[in-house]
Amino acid sequence: KNQVEQSPQSLIILEGKNCTLQCNYTVSPFSNLRWYKQDTGRGPVSLTIMTFSENTKSNGRYTATLDADTKQSSLHITASQLSDSASYICVVIMNRDDKIIFGKGTRLHILP
Amino acid sequence: DAGITQSPRYKITETGRQVTLMCHQTWSHSYMFWYRQDLGHGLRLIYYSAAADITDKGEVPDGYVVSRSKTENFPLTLESATRSQTSVYFCASRLKHDRGGDIQYFGAGTRLSVL
Repeated sequence: KNQVEQSPQSLIILEGKNCTLQCNYTVSPFSNLRWYKQDTGRGPVSLTIMTFSENTKSNGRYTATLDADTKQSSLHITASQLSDSASYICVVIMNRDDKIIFGKGTRLHILP
Repeated sequence: DAGITQSPRYKITETGRQVTLMCHQTWSHSYMFWYRQDLGHGLRLIYYSAAADITDKGEVPDGYVVSRSKTENFPLTLESATRSQTSVYFCASRLKHDRGGDIQYFGAGTRLSVL
């Protein structure tokens, strides 16, 4: 079954600290993987997109990694800010039919 | 304003009523989607459309109807609302890049409560 599993379900860290969110997927055939940020009461916004041949991509303080062999991705946030409080959703696109598989997200809380 | 807009942002209705949620995008993206988001489920696809006059069922289509007479509009109708359809609904459009990657752009969502 094509699935995207994210961990942890929720995370609380202090402002200024780093954190890493995990995404494991069983989707096949794989096309690309993206991370979205969803602020409370808003729609998801794309942070990074990685294809099969890319193993790292950065967007400011956000760095995503992809290991296509182990089917794992991570999103690392450096020097967290209060505005990073949000849900982070891992999404995998299938190569067949362009089907989009969503993870359930990790809820990140940044405390001052 | 450019982008993808949903209306209304909030809606309260009663069981059995017909409700239509509107979605409008200004980019002329060919693909549009409707999702619902519930606690513990993440985003689930209701319907999607590859182009005007082409629509397909997603993961949870029962109780919903869509139409796409124009590229820029993709309304979602609940023909007879039920309490289980209380949710946050997101519309999205998709830009497909030539290199294989693509980006989905989401609206701000419609929070629907069925009493």
